[in-house]
Amino acid sequence: DAGVIQSPRHEVTEMGQEVTLRCKPISGHDYLFWYRQTMMRGLELLIYFNNNVPIDDSGMPEDRFSAKMPNASFSTLKIQPSEPRDSAVYFCASSFAGGPPLVNEQFFGPGTRLTVL
Amino acid sequence: GQNIDQPTEMTATEGAIVQINCTYQTSGFNGLFWYQQHAGEAPTFLSYNVLDGLEEKGRFSSFLSRSKGYSYLLLKELQMKDSASYLCAVVNDYKLSFGAGTTVTVRA
Repeated sequence: DAGVIQSPRHEVTEMGQEVTLRCKPISGHDYLFWYRQTMMRGLELLIYFNNNVPIDDSGMPEDRFSAKMPNASFSTLKIQPSEPRDSAVYFCASSFAGGPPLVNEQFFGPGTRLTVL
Repeated sequence: GQNIDQPTEMTATEGAIVQINCTYQTSGFNGLFWYQQHAGEAPTFLSYNVLDGLEEKGRFSSFLSRSKGYSYLLLKELQMKDSASYLCAVVNDYKLSFGAGTTVTVRA
C-alpha cells in the first residue's frame, strides 16, 4: 500500500483565499483524522470520521474550517477565508478499528505545509 | 480535558540510554502511544501500552502505570538517527491527544 496520501505537500496563499487540502487514506481503513501541527500548540486533532461520517469536530477552530469525506477513499479539509494564523502543517491520518484488540495505530500522511501570507 | 506533560528537550551521547517521561491526566483512557517524528516528517508509530508494565521492541521499550498516570519511553544504544521528537499520546475512544513532544538530540 502507498500509505496515506496528501496533496498538495506545500501551499502558499494569500489571506482571504480559499484553501483545500486533500487526503486519501489507506485502503480498508475506516477511521480518518485531520490534525494541525504548530510550534506553539503542537499536534491538535481537528476532526475525525468513521465510515465517512464525521464523529467529532470539536477541534475545528471556527466556522472558516470545514471537512468532508464523500467516500471511503477521499477527504478534504477546506479553509475559507484563510488567515495568517492558519499557517501550520496539516496531517491526515487513518486507522483500522478491526485490528488487534485495543490497538488502533494511526498512520500519518506526509502532511501539507500551509503558509498564509 | 486532557493534560499531557513531557520534557521539552533531552540530549544524550551516541550509544547511551535515554528515558523520556510522560505524565497525563485525561478524562478517559484506552491506551497510550509513543510516536517518533523526524524534523519535517510525519509521526510514525513506536509503541502502544494499554496494560501496566513494560513493552519491549528492540532498542525501544515503553512502560505504563495507569494508577500513576505515568509512562516512559526508553531508548537504548542511541544512534544518530534517533535524533527526533518523541510524542506521547493518550487515546480515548479513537481520539489521540498528544503531548507537546520531547526533542532528543544525539551527539557523537
